Amino acid sequence: DAGITQSPRHKVTETGTPVTLRCHQTENHRYMYWYRQDPGHGLRLIHYSYGVKDTDKGEVSDGYSVSRSKTEDFLLTLESATSSQTSVYFCAISMGLTLSNYGYTFGSGTRLTVV
Amino acid sequence: QKEVEQNSGPLSVPEGAIASLNCTYSDRGSQSFFWYRQYSGKSPELIMFIYSNGDKEDGRFTAQLNKASQYVSLLIRDSQPSDSATYLCAVNSGAGSYQLTFGKGTKLSVIP
Repeated sequence: DAGITQSPRHKVTETGTPVTLRCHQTENHRYMYWYRQDPGHGLRLIHYSYGVKDTDKGEVSDGYSVSRSKTEDFLLTLESATSSQTSVYFCAISMGLTLSNYGYTFGSGTRLTVV
Repeated sequence: QKEVEQNSGPLSVPEGAIASLNCTYSDRGSQSFFWYRQYSGKSPELIMFIYSNGDKEDGRFTAQLNKASQYVSLLIRDSQPSDSATYLCAVNSGAGSYQLTFGKGTKLSVIP
């Protein structure tokens, strides 16, 4: 699917436990993003990366951290999961520089349930 | 706060009709505009992008952009039941911005 893989696809975890979601790309794209999608809120940006070890916060970054030690991998960590973090998480990649004609390609998503 | 607004729907149209989906945005500096289609339980997929005022056609899809009025629309001609999905409008604010802001989506239902 355009060289982007998310893992796991589904996860159920308990409140207070740490959780790490992985996004892996084979396209060598510079820009990678984590979004969450919730009914009534649409897609909201959590964090994004514009290169190895270069990351920045999005509009809903509280409670989340990210790391990018290699071009191909972008990890999203919930340090201590809460029920409000139950959501579908999408990773996206972009050819970037100007973005104008490319937009994003999305991964298949991770459905996370915090109980 | 950059905002992208869409009518949540559902929008129901009969098979073979034209479906018209609309989107408005708040940032006058926005430069690129995208339409994504998302089937239930699936990830969004890009179907159209536009960055110049006017119309852009691709098969049964036409994107329309009016920067002065800050709206972008998507027309789907000869609508098919397979077009039933949620359509997301996304906006990029241009130079120096590598992020898309998404609307909440319009759910389209094409009735056979």
